[in-house]
Amino acid sequence: DARVTQTPRHKVTEMGQEVTMRCQPILGHNTVFWYRQTMMQGLELLAYFRNRAPLDDSGMPKDRFSAEMPDATLATLKIQPSEPRDSAVYFCASGTGHMNTEAFFGQGTRLTVV
Amino acid sequence: AQSVAQPEDQVNVAEGNPLTVKCTYSVSGNPYLFWYVQYPNRGLQFLLKYITGDNLVKGSYGFEAEFNKSQTPFHLKKPSALVSDSALYFCAVREGSDNYGQNFVFGPGTRLSVLP
Repeated sequence: DARVTQTPRHKVTEMGQEVTMRCQPILGHNTVFWYRQTMMQGLELLAYFRNRAPLDDSGMPKDRFSAEMPDATLATLKIQPSEPRDSAVYFCASGTGHMNTEAFFGQGTRLTVV
Repeated sequence: AQSVAQPEDQVNVAEGNPLTVKCTYSVSGNPYLFWYVQYPNRGLQFLLKYITGDNLVKGSYGFEAEFNKSQTPFHLKKPSALVSDSALYFCAVREGSDNYGQNFVFGPGTRLSVLP
């Protein structure tokens, strides 16, 4: 059963620490999305990759966030330094890139910055 | 620019009754419309989509939605609600002129509670 895998599922860290979240997209998918979900803002797009190249990262605070795809089987989202306002659930999703196809979501990483 | 509105934060319905979760959208080109569901502590799960063809779209778990080109609602419906349908529902739109995908824009979500 193909699925998007995110690690870790939960992360508690102190303010100022570096946080790295990982995502394994579904094999064969060439499009990866990173979303952040909070009660106040709902689902926000942070970054969007196609064929490992970033297409849109306008939603990501550039001073502390970075997203990469070192290879086709791994996407990473890094926060350095982390702040309490970064506390949220971070979702990775993958897809085939065609307009008429849905994206498949991982279970999310729940980040708490204290 | 594309946008999605879900005018109701919360919808309550009795088990066995029909349910409707509302969504309206705005796009400048051809719309690609999606519904997702999120159960507690889980990721979003795809329910159904409209891309082209038949205006009535049927999806998972008995859900359906109707596309009408002259209007912008894309409401999610089910003839008979189950308690297990209680979850957070998201409408999403995707717009683009090429065949190779643009971002999904999600609505704020509607929490559905089905009461036994």
